[in-house]
Amino acid sequence: ETGVTQTPRHLVMGMTNKKSLKCEQHLGHNAMYWYKQSAKKPLELMFVYSLEERVENNSVPSRFSPECPNSSHLFLHLHTLQPEDSALYLCASSQEPYFVGQAALDTQYFGPGTRLTVL
Amino acid sequence: TQLLEQSPQFLSIQEGENLTVYCNSSSVFSSLQWYRQEPGEGPVLLVTVVTGGEVKKLKRLTFQFGDARKDSSLHITAAQPGDTGLYLCAGGDYKLSFGAGTTVTVRA
Repeated sequence: ETGVTQTPRHLVMGMTNKKSLKCEQHLGHNAMYWYKQSAKKPLELMFVYSLEERVENNSVPSRFSPECPNSSHLFLHLHTLQPEDSALYLCASSQEPYFVGQAALDTQYFGPGTRLTVL
Repeated sequence: TQLLEQSPQFLSIQEGENLTVYCNSSSVFSSLQWYRQEPGEGPVLLVTVVTGGEVKKLKRLTFQFGDARKDSSLHITAAQPGDTGLYLCAGGDYKLSFGAGTTVTVRA
């Protein structure tokens, strides 16, 4: 496979469940991102990993827990979510490490997203 | 956080018509990007503009970066149904800030 893949594509879970979202990039990139996309709202950056280290946690509730075991994989562990957490969760990767500070010059490659519904 | 406002929120036009969407901010950006997101997919980068006053063309799409580097526009000439999607502008240094997007529907 090429590009950025995400699994599952759709997920329905109850508020007491624990689930994980998976992202894999086949591009050899150095930075990976989790975004939340809700209807009529801008994409919200959640977490950034650069060279496998978490460099950004954008005030995300602790019920979301990211994990980056290696440069190609990124997980988002979910537990005791709320209905307002229902959204499209997008993973992205980019070539440059985060500290280069050229986010708007570097291309972010997005996966197709996981559509999450919390009942 | 640098805020980006996009307008209009929705745009529905007939095939062959022209359209323009706008991206505005009170902040100065060193560069801006435009992405298009189709249903069921993630955003895909269309262009990056860097210089104030810059104009870039991508087939029927024309992108302009304002002289003060606070705003940008995307103009589509003779729109086609394949242009349908959510158009997002984004800017920032260490992390990208995205606008809420303009949903464009081109009817055949």
